Amino acid sequence: SSELTQDPAVSVALGQTVRITCQGDSLRIYYASWFQQKAGQAPVLVIYGKNNRPSGIPDRFSGSTSGNTASLTITGAQAEDEADYYCNSRDSSDNHLSWVFGGGTKLTVL
Amino acid sequence: QVQLVESGGGVVQPGRSLRLSCAASGFTFTSHAMHWVRQGPGKGLEWVAIISHDGIHEYYADSLKGRFTISRDNSKNTLYLQMNSLRADDTAVYYCARDRGIITLLGEFDSWGRGTLVTVSS
Repeated sequence: SSELTQDPAVSVALGQTVRITCQGDSLRIYYASWFQQKAGQAPVLVIYGKNNRPSGIPDRFSGSTSGNTASLTITGAQAEDEADYYCNSRDSSDNHLSWVFGGGTKLTVL
Repeated sequence: QVQLVESGGGVVQPGRSLRLSCAASGFTFTSHAMHWVRQGPGKGLEWVAIISHDGIHEYYADSLKGRFTISRDNSKNTLYLQMNSLRADDTAVYYCARDRGIITLLGEFDSWGRGTLVTVSS
C-alpha cells in the first residue's frame, strides 16, 4: 500500500501563515483531504478535492497540490487552529479500493 | 444535522470477538457509503473499511487479513463492524465516518462520530 508522509510537528506565530505538507505517490493521481483533530475530539474535514472547504470551515484554510505533494495552508493562524492535522487520499497502489492517512502533523500556535 | 453515534466498544480478551455499531441520523443513510477508521492510543488515523450505500461492495485495509467484516442495515440506519480474532494491536478508538458522495464512492470523509474505545487485553 502507499504511504503519505507528514512532518511530525510544525509551529507558527499567531496571525502568521503556515503550510503543512503531505507527500506520497498517490497524490500524483488523487486529491488529498485534510482533517483537523483537536485533543480528545473526532477529526473534522477541513479541505477536500482540489481546494474545497465544507460549510463552517473558515476561509483561512486552503489546499493545493504539486506533483506528489499536497499542502494545507492556514493564512493568519488563530489560537484555535492548534491541533493535529492529517492528510488522506485514495491508495493508488492496491488493486482494490482503499484509503491511506498520513502520520499527522502537530500544529502549535505560538 | 448529521449525527453518527458509535457503540459496542469495551474491554475484550485477545482472540475474542466484538461487534461495533454506528447509528446514523440527520441524513439519507441509504445514499451514502460509510467507513470505519481507527486510532490507536497516541497514534494516527488508520482506515479500516468501507461499504457502499447499498451494502453490495465492501473493501478492507490489507492489514486486517479478513478478521473484520463491515455491514449495514439500511432499514435501521445502522452501520456495523464485526471484529474477530482480536489482538492487542487492535486496541483503538473506532470511528464511523460518512462518505461525502451521493451514491458514489468519493473517499471524502465529511462527518465523523465521536468514536468508541476498544481495548484488547487479558
